[in-house]
Amino acid sequence: AQKVTQAQTEISVVEKEDVTLDCVYETRDTTYYLFWYKQPPSGELVFLIRRNSFDEQNEISGRYSWNFQKSTSSFNFTITASQVVDSAVYFCALSENNQGGKLIFGQGTELSVKP
Amino acid sequence: DAGVIQSPRHEVTEMGQEVTLRCKPISGHNSLFWYRQTMMRGLELLIYFNNNVPIDDSGMPEDRFSAKMPNASFSTLKIQPSEPRDSAVYFCASSLMLAETQYFGPGTRLLVL
Repeated sequence: AQKVTQAQTEISVVEKEDVTLDCVYETRDTTYYLFWYKQPPSGELVFLIRRNSFDEQNEISGRYSWNFQKSTSSFNFTITASQVVDSAVYFCALSENNQGGKLIFGQGTELSVKP
Repeated sequence: DAGVIQSPRHEVTEMGQEVTLRCKPISGHNSLFWYRQTMMRGLELLIYFNNNVPIDDSGMPEDRFSAKMPNASFSTLKIQPSEPRDSAVYFCASSLMLAETQYFGPGTRLLVL
């Protein structure tokens, strides 16, 4: 069965620190997609990245980077030089190709960046 | 471009009342999803449509919940009768097609007293 685990419930860092949010997934499908969404205090869900199971290249977008490792079924998210505006709940999610796009979400990691 | 639009943004109602949540997906998107977010259960899929047809409603908690998509630009999620345990944030999301990136609306915060 598909499952997403975000073991870190809460993380607190001081501004400018680097922080990594962990995500481990379980799936039996060979074709699947991994996502990260951000939920700021205002409540909306903001799409950050989508990765398919055949593309293990790491991705960097500004201060954000993602490390996808199929060998460990992990899709970790790193914020470099964190800022107060990064404070939010971050969700990792999995979609299996044979499940029609249904997103399975992890429980989320609440990141607090203090000035 | 307008994103996913949901209304109302907030709804307070009394137990037993009917509640209707509305969603307008992004123009041109063929797939629409309804999710519910609670502290206890996190984010969970309720139902999704493809080309206006319900594909999987296995996440709908009870017969009190129903959803429709009469056309490509409108969907409703109805709860009748509502109960306090239905209090949650309900999100609508749309994607170009199944398995593509889902873009979420701002959510409807429902409180059933």
